[in-house]
Amino acid sequence: ILNVEQSPQSLHVQEGDSTNFTCSFPSSNFYALHWYRWETAKSPEALFVMTLNGDEKKKGRISATLNTKEGYSYLYIKGSQPEDSATYLCAFNEYDTDKLIFGTGTRLQVFP
Amino acid sequence: EAQVTQNPRYLITVTGKKLTVTCSQNMNHEYMSWYRQDPGLGLRQIYYSMNVEVTDKGDVPEGYKVSRKEKRNFPLILESPSPNQTSLYFCASSHRSGAVTIPTDTQYFGPGTRLTVL
Repeated sequence: ILNVEQSPQSLHVQEGDSTNFTCSFPSSNFYALHWYRWETAKSPEALFVMTLNGDEKKKGRISATLNTKEGYSYLYIKGSQPEDSATYLCAFNEYDTDKLIFGTGTRLQVFP
Repeated sequence: EAQVTQNPRYLITVTGKKLTVTCSQNMNHEYMSWYRQDPGLGLRQIYYSMNVEVTDKGDVPEGYKVSRKEKRNFPLILESPSPNQTSLYFCASSHRSGAVTIPTDTQYFGPGTRLTVL
C-alpha cells in the first residue's frame, strides 16, 4: 500500500507569518504530485500539479517545490492571511496506474 | 459554468436500503472518480473511470458499485449500505491528456454528499 504523508498535521500561525509544510511520497515510480486547498464546508480546489524533478510552481503568495528523487514536496505560503486558513492536501500519482493517493492533509489556521 | 454536481447533498438512510448518489460534469472530462473522506484518514479513492464503459477499483471499493454509460455521468451505487459507509463522499473529474492514461490534469471536485447509514 502506497503511503503519502503530510506534516505537520496542523499549524497555527499569526497573520503575516510565512509558513511551509511537507508532503512525502514514494520516490520510485513517481508520475505526478498534486496540491489541493480545502476550505471547511467546501470542495477541494486544485493548486498545482507537478511532474518534473525540481519543478517549482507559484500562485500568488503560495508556491511549491518538488524533489522526486528523495520523495518530497514543500508548499510555502508567504505572508499568511486569515483567508489562507484551510486544509492543504497533497496527492500522488504512481507511474503506470490511474490511482490518486491522497495524504491526510495539513490543517492551517491563520490568526489575525 | 463548468462544474461537477452531486445529488443528493445530504442523505440519511437505513442499513440495507439500496441508494444511488449521482455525479455529473459538464466539462467533457474523460476521467471521473469517487472518494470518501473520513476523519483522520483523508480522501480515499473508491472507484474511478478513464472513459465511457471503463471503470476500475480504487483503494476502498468494497460495498460500492459504479457505472459509466455516458461520459458526463458517474453514479455511485450502494446496493446494501452499512453503518461503516457513513462518510462524506466526493466525485471528481479531469481531462485525460492524449495517450497519457494518468490524470495529471487538475481534478475538479463536486460539492460532496454527506451520507449517514443508521
